[in-house]
Amino acid sequence: NAGVTQTPKFRILKIGQSMTLQCTQDMNHNYMYWYRQDPGMGLKLIYYSVGAGITDKGEVPNGYNVSRSTTEDFPLRLELAAPSQTSVYFCASSKQRDSTEAFFGQGTRLTVV
Amino acid sequence: AQKITQTQPGMFVQEKEAVTLDCTYDTSDPSYGLFWYKQPSSGEMIFLIYQGSYDQQNATEGRYSLNFQKARKSANLVISASQLGDSAMYFCAMSNTGTASKLTFGTGTRLQVTL
Repeated sequence: NAGVTQTPKFRILKIGQSMTLQCTQDMNHNYMYWYRQDPGMGLKLIYYSVGAGITDKGEVPNGYNVSRSTTEDFPLRLELAAPSQTSVYFCASSKQRDSTEAFFGQGTRLTVV
Repeated sequence: AQKITQTQPGMFVQEKEAVTLDCTYDTSDPSYGLFWYKQPSSGEMIFLIYQGSYDQQNATEGRYSLNFQKARKSANLVISASQLGDSAMYFCAMSNTGTASKLTFGTGTRLQVTL
């Protein structure tokens, strides 16, 4: 049972480069989220989606874009990487609106140099 | 806006002892949910326990219990009979939807269990 799978696990980007962090879940969950965790801090919500075709901004959306074309996939796009985006990125999912448990992926450690 | 405060950057506890990790929250919403997550050194986030704002009883899950004091706006995590494997970062989080969507996290407490 895979759960929430993120790729890649590690990545180093140069300033100004772009990349897509992949997230897929096999639990048929409607809700999906992207969080970032800066060193020594808690997680902050970047974007979320309540179903295919529907996305919305979280607390820290600047510099990122998302799409949700299928229930399973929720990629996060960085267009022009900046050092401030050095962080660990977590994708998570929950089944439906009244779910009290979110399932997290293993995280992607991104360094922008 | 909602806010979670964890004032203990680090805690030590001896094996087999109980430990309390503090969490206070601030929200103006009448309905909300409170969560605790464990993050071991491997980095993944593991869900531990949930408390709804309207739940009358404190939540318990095995060795974990949540000491919910609504008037004080606190949601402390109690771990009984600590084990070496409990050494990790612990995050308190809340959601104004009462569910696991759109969580706001605290800065975490690092727990070290010693022999």
